Amino acid sequence: KQEVTQIPAALSVPEGENLVLNCSFTDSAIYNLQWFRQDPGKGLTSLLLIQSSQREQTSGRLNASLDKSSGRSTLYIAASQPGDSATYLCALQGAGNMLTFGGGTRLMVKP
Amino acid sequence: EAQVTQNPRYLITVTGKKLTVTCSQNMNHEYMSWYRQDPGLGLRQIYYSMNVEVTDKGDVPEGYKVSRKEKRNFPLILESPSPNQTSLYFCASRLGGAHQPQHFGDGTRLSIL
Repeated sequence: KQEVTQIPAALSVPEGENLVLNCSFTDSAIYNLQWFRQDPGKGLTSLLLIQSSQREQTSGRLNASLDKSSGRSTLYIAASQPGDSATYLCALQGAGNMLTFGGGTRLMVKP
Repeated sequence: EAQVTQNPRYLITVTGKKLTVTCSQNMNHEYMSWYRQDPGLGLRQIYYSMNVEVTDKGDVPEGYKVSRKEKRNFPLILESPSPNQTSLYFCASRLGGAHQPQHFGDGTRLSIL
């Protein structure tokens, strides 16, 4: 059974800092890996999706990488802003529509 | 506007009183799913559907039922709710194919007393 771990569970940084969020998984037989953002009282917003055959995806200040051999993904956020404060979740898609989530990293960016 | 709509957003009810949480999407998505989110346990999949009349269990299906009679709707039914089903519930949908992002609703907070 797929297990997904996100470290750290919480992170506080000053505005402008570059930061890396980590996601590790146990089963490399995946279709894709997705990074989501969750704001308090809201649903999840998809940020990036990396197909199993890809190594990375970029969107604006966000860059996500995938290394299936080591069971790891990272989400890099450049020049962080207070508006980036949220919980970030990674999720692995396996067979069918099974999506397994990590526990999330709660990010706070201080002005 | 493309969206996934859940109703109600909040519900407080009592043990044993049947309830239904509705989910509707306007994006003609084939796949729809239900998740629950609990502190310390994260998001866990309850049921999913790959198309009309095709549903399958996720990780935590006990105590829940679903149906997919129309492509746009995927209701979650709690026939006899219990306090351990108090949680934050999310519906999601996506296009068919292996590499399509999930679109989530804003969530339904259920409290079962």
